[in-house]
Amino acid sequence: EVQLLESGGGLVQPGGSLRLSCAASGFTFSSYAMSWVRQAPGKGLEWVSGISVSAGGTYYADSVKGRFTISRDNSKNTLCLQMNSLRAEDTAVYYCAKDRGATISQFDYWGQGALVTVSS
Amino acid sequence: QSVLTQPPSASGTPGQRVTISCSGSSSNIGSNTVNWYHQLPGTAPKLLIYSNNQRPSGVPDRFSGSKSGTSASLAISGLQSEDEADYYCAAWDDSLIGPVFGGGTKLTVL
Repeated sequence: EVQLLESGGGLVQPGGSLRLSCAASGFTFSSYAMSWVRQAPGKGLEWVSGISVSAGGTYYADSVKGRFTISRDNSKNTLCLQMNSLRAEDTAVYYCAKDRGATISQFDYWGQGALVTVSS
Repeated sequence: QSVLTQPPSASGTPGQRVTISCSGSSSNIGSNTVNWYHQLPGTAPKLLIYSNNQRPSGVPDRFSGSKSGTSASLAISGLQSEDEADYYCAAWDDSLIGPVFGGGTKLTVL
C-alpha cells in the first residue's frame, strides 16, 4: 500500500524557515517523480515544486522560486522541502504527491498534508 | 487567479448527468493532457481522470473526461450523494514549466 507521510509543519514567523519531510513507502520511490502541492485555507490547489526521479531536475512555481528548495533521498525514501523567507501568503496545507511516472504531471497518491502557518 | 478556468459551482440531482468545464490556453491544455482530481471536505485530493480520459483503477466508469482544443470537460453520470466534492482540473504548462490547476468547482448534489 502506497503511503506518504508528511511532517515538519507548524507555526513560524514571517521571514522564518521551516523544513517539510515526506516519508514514502509501498512503492519504488526512486522510480517516480515527486511534488509538493499546497492549499491555502478555503482556497484551491497550487503546485509548489517538483523533482525528477534522480533529482537531476527540480522545478518551482514562480511564487516560491528562490525561497524554497526541493530535494529527495532515494536511499531513505524521503522527499523534503526547505522553505526560507516565509511569508503570510505561504500559509497552507502542504501535500506531498507521487507522480504516476517519471515526469511531473499526474499525481496518483497524496499524503494527508502538513499545515504551515506563517504569522507573527 | 488560476491559470485554468473552471466554474466555481455545479449542481445536480441524484441520477442526473453533470459536466464541469475547464478552459485553458495553447501552452497548457492545448498542448498537454488534462487530469482531474476530486477532494472531499477535510481530505487530500484524489486522482480521478488522467491523460484526458483515463480512469485509475477503482474509479467508477460513471466518471469520464474529454478534451478539445484548449478546453476539457469532466462528466459524471448517475450522480450520487457521495459525489459531492470539489473538483479540480490540471495540466502541464509549457510556459510556466510546471503543472497548473483550475480554481476548483464545488459540486452539490441536491
